[in-house]
This record gives sequence, structure tokens and C-alpha cells, in this order.
Amino acid sequence: GAVVSQHPSWVICKSGTSVKIECRSLDFQATTMFWYRQFPKQSLMLMATSNEGSKATYEQGVEKDKFLINHASLTLSTLTVTSAHPEDSSFYICSAGIPPRDPTEAFFGQGTRLTVV
Amino acid sequence: GQNIDQPTEMTATEGAIVQINCTYQTSGFNGLFWYQQHAGEAPTFLSYNVLDGLEEKGRFSSFLSRSKGYSYLLLKELQMKDSASYLCAVRDLNTDKLIFGTGTRLQVFP
Repeated sequence: GAVVSQHPSWVICKSGTSVKIECRSLDFQATTMFWYRQFPKQSLMLMATSNEGSKATYEQGVEKDKFLINHASLTLSTLTVTSAHPEDSSFYICSAGIPPRDPTEAFFGQGTRLTVV
Repeated sequence: GQNIDQPTEMTATEGAIVQINCTYQTSGFNGLFWYQQHAGEAPTFLSYNVLDGLEEKGRFSSFLSRSKGYSYLLLKELQMKDSASYLCAVRDLNTDKLIFGTGTRLQVFP
């Protein structure tokens, strides 16, 4: 089956530093990937849509200069949290669809637990 | 825009049946998904409905009524391991985005 791999699974960083999270599609090509954020006891909130070879599109209220997204190839999208602050501590998850082979399902990475101290 | 509502919490007894409802309003509909999520883990795909009716998969079933903007997830023969959050998500027809509901935390008691 299709596999989406996300790395790292957890990271602790100091305030003011930047953290990069990778999302890879291991056995298929993904022209589009999605990045979500999930705070404790809340649902997944879509942050942005990552498009291969073009700029990401961000949801309302998400700072594009703070959450940098790069989708340089059909198998890799990265999310960089710049100048991280404690309020950025959250669970970040990526997903990739696989059109047209299986347009019915979105596949999720394992998620990254970010803690900013 | 889109608006997706679910009950926040539910409780049930082991062996029982529970129904989790989801209502949605969307400008463009291209399918409804149900996911299970245990604390600290990524969501796991349970079911997908794009046409009206019932989809059955083992102990889990999902129903959709597009005219009513309504879906439910039915869990039968509940087990303790079914204690988790259940997320309803709608795919946007135009953007392919998956928009999630608030999620329902289900607790199964012995």
C-alpha cells in the first residue's frame, strides 16, 4: 500500500530557533501534499497546501513567513517552523493523495510532535 | 466555506453499539471520510462515502445522506481498544482539501 513517511516523529527546540519537518511519499508521486496542525484535544486544522514546483497556498490565519513550505520534488515536501515560540508547540501531520490511482483516500504521515521550550 | 459538526464526547459500554453523527455544510462536496485517531498518533482511515447509502466494513459502518448534509459512523460490538477520537472529514470538490470536523472522543467502559 501507499506509504507517507514523516520525519522527525518528535523534536524539542529552543525558542527562536527553526525546525524542519519532512514528508515523503515512499512508493508514489504526490503533486499535492497537505500540512495540518493539531493542538491537544482538538481536531486537525489544515495549514497549507503544498504544490510541487510552485508556491504553497496557505489557509486564512496561517503566517506564510513563519511556516515555510517547500515542495521541490514529487516525493518530498518540507515544513519549516521559523523562529519557533512555545505557542507553536503542537502535533504537525502531513498527508498526500494519490490521484488517479486511489482518489478516495488521503494518506497521512506519522506526525511530528514539536515542543518549543 | 465549510462547517462540520460532531459531538465532542461520547461514552459507551463494551459490546454495545454506538453511532457518531456528523453534519456538514460545504460549497463543493467530493466525499466524506471517517478516521480513527488514538492519542499521539496519526489518523487511521476507516471509511469513505461519496454516494448516498450505507458502507459496511466489518464492525464499522458509515452512512451518508448528501441532501441532508449528514453522515454517521456506526461501531458494533465495541471493544476497549475502540476508545479513541473519531474524525469526520469532507473533501472539497474544487481544491481536493480534506477539512476535518471537531472530532468525537469515544470512551468505552467495561
